[in-house]
Amino acid sequence: EIVLTQSPGTLSLSPGERVTLSCRASQSVSSSYLAWYQQKPGQAPRLLIYGASSRATGIPDRFSGSGSGTDFTLTISRLEPEDFAVYYCQQYGSSPFTFGPGTKVDIK
Amino acid sequence: EVQLLESGGGLVQPGGSLRLSCAASGFTFSSYAMSWVRQAPGKGLEWVSSISDSGGSTYYADSVKGRFTISRDISKNTLYVQMNSLRAEDTAVYYCAKGISSGCYSSVDYWGQGTLVTVSS
Repeated sequence: EIVLTQSPGTLSLSPGERVTLSCRASQSVSSSYLAWYQQKPGQAPRLLIYGASSRATGIPDRFSGSGSGTDFTLTISRLEPEDFAVYYCQQYGSSPFTFGPGTKVDIK
Repeated sequence: EVQLLESGGGLVQPGGSLRLSCAASGFTFSSYAMSWVRQAPGKGLEWVSSISDSGGSTYYADSVKGRFTISRDISKNTLYVQMNSLRAEDTAVYYCAKGISSGCYSSVDYWGQGTLVTVSS
């Protein structure tokens, strides 16, 4: 089973700041099958990035993904008020298709 | 517009069974893989199971293997998960989610609003 580790656990930031979230896998993720999701309280998750770097439909270009192998990054170039949420990575290159524990981005 | 509507959640005793359903609309159901993902209260996301477009391939998390069975009815545009031998640790909101491709090795791009399953005596 591929274990995903996300860091940091919580980030306290201000609107307008740039944020970089990390997702590290215990072994290489096949074909860069790595996705990022955003979840707000009381809501279902939303797909942001798939294939490590492809933005999902309707996702603003301030969100970008990068990485390969075992190290992946989600970058939000400039935080908007609606971006304060929990962010999860998921690998789907090897069953079980595991999620990371999440990184919470909250308002400073 | 893609819509996924889960139903079937509720309170069940340990050792009991429950079947969740997910009615899909707004896309060609038979062309996409589907998944179940759960979230225990106050916890993170946990992938549960996925099924390919045709239903010919299925995958399960180790925590549910042998107890849960995923299936789909193309004629009814509905996804199911039969959950047997339920345990307290299965308590969670269960989300139905649509894959972005036909195979199970796929991220999910649409989610339902979830249905709560509580396992307690």
